[in-house]
Amino acid sequence: DTEVTQTPKHLVMGMTNKKSLKCEQHMGHRAMYWYKQKAKKPPELMFVYSYEKLSINESVPSRFSPECPNSSLLNLHLHALQPEDSALYLCASSQDQAGYNSPLHFGNGTRLTVT
Amino acid sequence: AQSVTQLGSHVSVSEGALVLLRCNYSSSVPPYLFWYVQYPNQGLQLLLKYTSAATLVKGINGFEAEFKKSETSFHLTKPSAHMSDAAEYFCAVSNIMTTDSWGKLQFGAGTQVVVTP
Repeated sequence: DTEVTQTPKHLVMGMTNKKSLKCEQHMGHRAMYWYKQKAKKPPELMFVYSYEKLSINESVPSRFSPECPNSSLLNLHLHALQPEDSALYLCASSQDQAGYNSPLHFGNGTRLTVT
Repeated sequence: AQSVTQLGSHVSVSEGALVLLRCNYSSSVPPYLFWYVQYPNQGLQLLLKYTSAATLVKGINGFEAEFKKSETSFHLTKPSAHMSDAAEYFCAVSNIMTTDSWGKLQFGAGTQVVVTP
């Protein structure tokens, strides 16, 4: 069982819809991440939160809006997505952002389809 | 700048045979290296990590990797493949020497492992 829980597992949305992806961890980790993964490709970093503050935004379009309500929760708000945004969205957490002795723990992802 | 190259996008091995997945890195500073595995419809799971404590690193599920600075390599091996090893494997590098790179894992393209009976 993964220690990072993502909901929903699958999501189908139209281009005019607004939806949210949710991620939760109870390992006391202070860094949380959103990744996007297309089929047969490695994950691509989107956002990093460190101590509940946005630390890294990898030039992600504004139709993706992250939120970190508290140290255990991470949301990704979606609005006016395009079909090419269809992908597996992975949440991860680590003890801190430095990463060298704090490897990432991944959730099982949300499979998003934009129609 | 840092980067990771995984040689071979697909590897087919017989059950019981040696598994060897190749990873070469490019980094201007001592890197921290990781191998992750991704099973179908799942997230990534850490197999092992190199953080300069020892050049031979043992991980979960019988996997190990050896850091060779002279060859800038961090190849992953398992002496005897099992059907359950069929998955996608990613090598990744992390650079902590500058705060700009904190939290930015650089992944290789991945290697799909197929295990045949």
